[in-house]
Amino acid sequence: SQQGEEDPQALSIQEGENATMNCSYKTSINNLQWYRQNSGRGLVHLILIRSNEREKHSGRLRVTLDTSKKSSSLLITASRAADTASYFCATAVGGGGFKTIFGAGTRLFVKA
Amino acid sequence: SAVISQKPSRDICQRGTSLTIQCQVDSQVTMMFWYRQQPGQSLTLIATANQGSEATYESGFVIDKFPISRPNLTFSTLTVSNMSPEDSSIYLCSVAQGAHYEQYFGPGTRLTVT
Repeated sequence: SQQGEEDPQALSIQEGENATMNCSYKTSINNLQWYRQNSGRGLVHLILIRSNEREKHSGRLRVTLDTSKKSSSLLITASRAADTASYFCATAVGGGGFKTIFGAGTRLFVKA
Repeated sequence: SAVISQKPSRDICQRGTSLTIQCQVDSQVTMMFWYRQQPGQSLTLIATANQGSEATYESGFVIDKFPISRPNLTFSTLTVSNMSPEDSSIYLCSVAQGAHYEQYFGPGTRLTVT
């Protein structure tokens, strides 16, 4: 079963605009990871944020984590047509064991 | 990050047959996972395959249908048994690495069952 829900399900923006995607989850987590998947291709790991972190940056990406609200957001600044893809959040759960559960994903379309 | 390869990259199979998917990692990893991604959907965890222990299956997945082998720290196989068209999906292997268990994925195996 999926742990998280993402919204919006789909997002269409103009090149140069910022894109914000949100992820909510249900249980306590060890970390949260964001991935990108271009159509029909493999997953690219974007960023990992630990449960004790609140914000993390990587290039044009900014991720926030609010464990009290069980939510995270991914901001892509100055979007490009090449950012067109599906974006997934994935939460790592488990104490002694470990597994990562994926959200439903957001389809981002950046118009040139 | 680990480099992960999968074989085959795609296959078209007849219903009732079985397909074994191989996953090879370029470094030793303890934690390995198998996921399924049905068309237009997100990823669903099938099982966790840690070396030295039996695979742990998620709800809705059983060993008879998806037997997994994990003979060493760099290799695993997933078999999709007695296939039906509903098994048509992308199957991905994944490993967790590093102090914070960053998870990386193979390119996937696209399976079509006719």
